Amino acid sequence: KAGVTQTPRYLIKTRGQQVTLSCSPISGHRSVSWYQQTPGQGLQFLFEYFSETQRNKGNFPGRFSGRQFSNSRSEMNVSTLELGDSALYLCASSSGRTGGLTPLHFGNGTRLTVT
Amino acid sequence: DQQVKQNSPSLSVQEGRISILNCDYTNSMFDYFLWYKKYPAEGPTFLISISSIKDKNEDGRFTVFLNKSAKHLSLHIVPSQPGDSAVYFCAASGVGLFVGNEKLTFGTGTRLTIIP
Repeated sequence: KAGVTQTPRYLIKTRGQQVTLSCSPISGHRSVSWYQQTPGQGLQFLFEYFSETQRNKGNFPGRFSGRQFSNSRSEMNVSTLELGDSALYLCASSSGRTGGLTPLHFGNGTRLTVT
Repeated sequence: DQQVKQNSPSLSVQEGRISILNCDYTNSMFDYFLWYKKYPAEGPTFLISISSIKDKNEDGRFTVFLNKSAKHLSLHIVPSQPGDSAVYFCAASGVGLFVGNEKLTFGTGTRLTIIP
C-alpha cells in the first residue's frame, strides 16, 4: 500500500506570496490532517478534513486554509506569507472513524522557506 | 499553553542499555496517548500507544507506562540500538474533545542518541 504523498518536498517563497501544498492520503483513508513543525514548537495542528468537510481546526490565522477533494486528496494554502511561516508542513491520513483510535500515518512533509 | 510537555530536549544512552523518555500532560480530558519516532527528512512514524484505561502497553522492545494521577507517561526502549537514534514525540488525544481523534496535541520532542 502506498504511503502518504506530499508535494512538493521543498519550496522557497518570498514574503507576501501565497503557496499551495498537496497531500495524497493512503488509499481508503478519508481523513487528512495538516500539521506545522517548527524548531522548539513541536508539531502544531492546523486542521483536519473528513469527506470534504473541515472537521477540526487549530489556532492558526485565516491565512492558512485547506480543502479536500472527493478522492480524499487535500490541499493546504497559505496566503500573504510571513517569515514565521517557514516550517515543515506535514500531512497525515487515517481512516477517520469517529471514536476510533487509529494512529495517524504521516507523509515526509513539505519544507517551506519564506525569504 | 503547552498541554503536552517533553522537558528533555535530548538524551544520550549507551547501546544495549535502557532508554527512558518522559512526557507530562496537563489536560485531564486526554484519554489516548501515542509515541511517534521521527528521522531527519522523514515524517513521524507511529511507534506505540496507550489508552487511559491501561497503565502499561508493550510492543517488543518498546513499553509505554501511564501514570494518570501524575499526568505522566514514559517510553522505555530495551535494549537500545543505534537505529533508535531519532527524535521521539509524545502525543495526546481526547475522544471526547473533538469529533474523531485525528487532532493530536504533540510535545516538542526529545532527540535520542544511542552511543555505540
